[in-house]
Amino acid sequence: GAVVSQHPSWVICKSGTSVKIECRSLDFQATTMFWYRQFPKQSLMLMATSNEGSKATYEQGVEKDKFLINHASLTLSTLTVTSAHPEDSSFYICSASVTGVSNQPQHFGDGTRLSIL
Amino acid sequence: KQEVTQIPAALSVPEGENLVLNCSFTDSAIYNLQWFRQDPGKGLTSLLLIQSSQREQTSGRLNASLDKSSGRSTLYIAASQPGDSATYLCGCQGNTDKLIFGTGTRLQVFP
Repeated sequence: GAVVSQHPSWVICKSGTSVKIECRSLDFQATTMFWYRQFPKQSLMLMATSNEGSKATYEQGVEKDKFLINHASLTLSTLTVTSAHPEDSSFYICSASVTGVSNQPQHFGDGTRLSIL
Repeated sequence: KQEVTQIPAALSVPEGENLVLNCSFTDSAIYNLQWFRQDPGKGLTSLLLIQSSQREQTSGRLNASLDKSSGRSTLYIAASQPGDSATYLCGCQGNTDKLIFGTGTRLQVFP
């Protein structure tokens, strides 16, 4: 089955640090990947849609200069949290669906827990 | 704008009971609806996907139904087990491929 790998699984760093999270589709190509954020005991909130070879589309209220997304290939999207602060501490999850096939399930990574001290 | 709600928010039952989890959505123009399981601190595991043209899907002890016209889906869990304890999320996918998630139901099945 389709596998999405997310790395790292856990990050602890100081305030002001920039943190990069990778999302890879291991056995399929994904033109589009999605980034979600989940605060404790809350549901997943879509942050942005990552499009291969073009700019990401951000949801309302998500700062594009704060959360940089790069989708340089059909199997890799990265999310960089720039100058992270404690309020950015959260669980970040990516997902992807198979390119060129409509109405397919999304496959999720295992998530990255980000803790900013 | 699609809004997805799940009830109950939390559920605690003894082992062996049959359960119904509810999901409602405001925009019926969906392509599909997915049910997921999330264990604490983990990612999402896809359980069932129902296409917009389908009424239900079954996998083992799980059965999911979809009524687009009324904006509702249910996840039925038969003969619940302690290993079923997790948070269950439903997600609605529209024509942009974005998944909009519900608020989740935290299920605890005790022995």
